[in-house]
Amino acid sequence: DAKTTQPPSMDCAEGRAANLPCNHSTISGNEYVYWYRQIHSQGPQYIIHGLKNNETNEMASLIITEDRKSSTLILPHATLRDTAVYYCIVRVSQGGSEKLVFGKGMKLTVNP
Amino acid sequence: DSGVTQTPKHLITATGQRVTLRCSPRSGDLSVYWYQQSLDQGLQFLIQYYNGEERAKGNILERFSAQQFPDLHSELNLSSLELGDSALYFCASSWTSGSPDTQYFGPGTRLTVL
Repeated sequence: DAKTTQPPSMDCAEGRAANLPCNHSTISGNEYVYWYRQIHSQGPQYIIHGLKNNETNEMASLIITEDRKSSTLILPHATLRDTAVYYCIVRVSQGGSEKLVFGKGMKLTVNP
Repeated sequence: DSGVTQTPKHLITATGQRVTLRCSPRSGDLSVYWYQQSLDQGLQFLIQYYNGEERAKGNILERFSAQQFPDLHSELNLSSLELGDSALYFCASSWTSGSPDTQYFGPGTRLTVL
């Protein structure tokens, strides 16, 4: 019951910006968009989250469209260590709890 | 390093057995979440505890149970193990239980049932 759609894979050249798209056309007004990544079989790593405004932190930028139906995660200067599965997640509220519903994610491969 | 610790890192056991996975949340976090990641199912939410109380349940089997102790560490108990229970089990923690609160994941326990 994932609420997001991502392409299955993407390649990027090292040093270039990686733009990872995500569609969440059924998102509700108070639902946040979260991005995590998972390198090999390590625990998912939090990247960034946002509601309606664009957000930036030391890892990435998140651009959310005005209608909130899609977003783009931007890694400004991709490195080989950014090769991972990236998950775009819309938080699901359930009785005061917030569980993460992971989809299949998108495999980003950064090439030398 | 997320600050969430999980033990053991690897666990190999036989069908029908029972195991306990342990999770220590980040300092100050009150919520603990358990997730299962298998090859065919992806990452699935199992259960959440907040300050010792069960808060939400996901796709957790009846053979599985969890609890959160007064010191806030949590244990996931898996019994009558089957081959299909082989998976990575992740614990995550967050400060509260609501949005927008970020969950930070531990390194996981890899369970192999033979």
